[in-house]
Amino acid sequence: GEDVEQSLFLSVREGDSSVINCTYTDSSSTYLYWYKQEPGAGLQLLTYIFSNMDMKQDQRLTVLLNKKDKHLSLRIADTQTGDSAIYFCAEKIIVNNAGNMLTFGGGTRLMVKP
Amino acid sequence: KAGVTQTPRYLIKTRGQQVTLSCSPISGHRSVSWYQQTPGQGLQFLFEYFSETQRNKGNFPGRFSGRQFSNSRSEMNVSTLELGDSALYLCASRLSANTGELFFGEGSRLTVL
Repeated sequence: GEDVEQSLFLSVREGDSSVINCTYTDSSSTYLYWYKQEPGAGLQLLTYIFSNMDMKQDQRLTVLLNKKDKHLSLRIADTQTGDSAIYFCAEKIIVNNAGNMLTFGGGTRLMVKP
Repeated sequence: KAGVTQTPRYLIKTRGQQVTLSCSPISGHRSVSWYQQTPGQGLQFLFEYFSETQRNKGNFPGRFSGRQFSNSRSEMNVSTLELGDSALYLCASRLSANTGELFFGEGSRLTVL
């Protein structure tokens, strides 16, 4: 079955790096995603990584994928107070032998202190 | 390009009533998915529609239903509302049923009293 797990909270100081971790169980995952949700808003797609990649960098964001350990991480460099939000990890899994859907983790609440 | 639009943004219902939520996908996107977000259960997949057909369905009772129109707009309906149906209902669109990334709307927050 599919299961995506994340730690609940992370607190960092402004200017430090943040690392949000995620573990997943479905080895058939093709893509893995990071979404950001600010209070009262929907989910904003931040970045994604294809399952045959180890790393992807996009400005302040670095995604690391360890497929052997089924571990995904999101590193935010020079974290700002505007980065305070809930971050969701999601995996795309195959269903019904043809379709696919996203399974989300419970979200990590990132708090950035000035 | 306009994003995913959901209406209404907020609504209050009482137990036993029914509710209909609407979602307009990004122009050109033909697949619409619905998710329920609650503090206790997190984000849970309800169903996905593509070409007016339900493609995938999550583990929700039959009180939860949906449909998609020829212009790709989608509605979801919850009948005989229960207190536990209080949640943020998020709609997401993508190019097709198996292609493209999901882009989410702001959600419809339903409170059942």
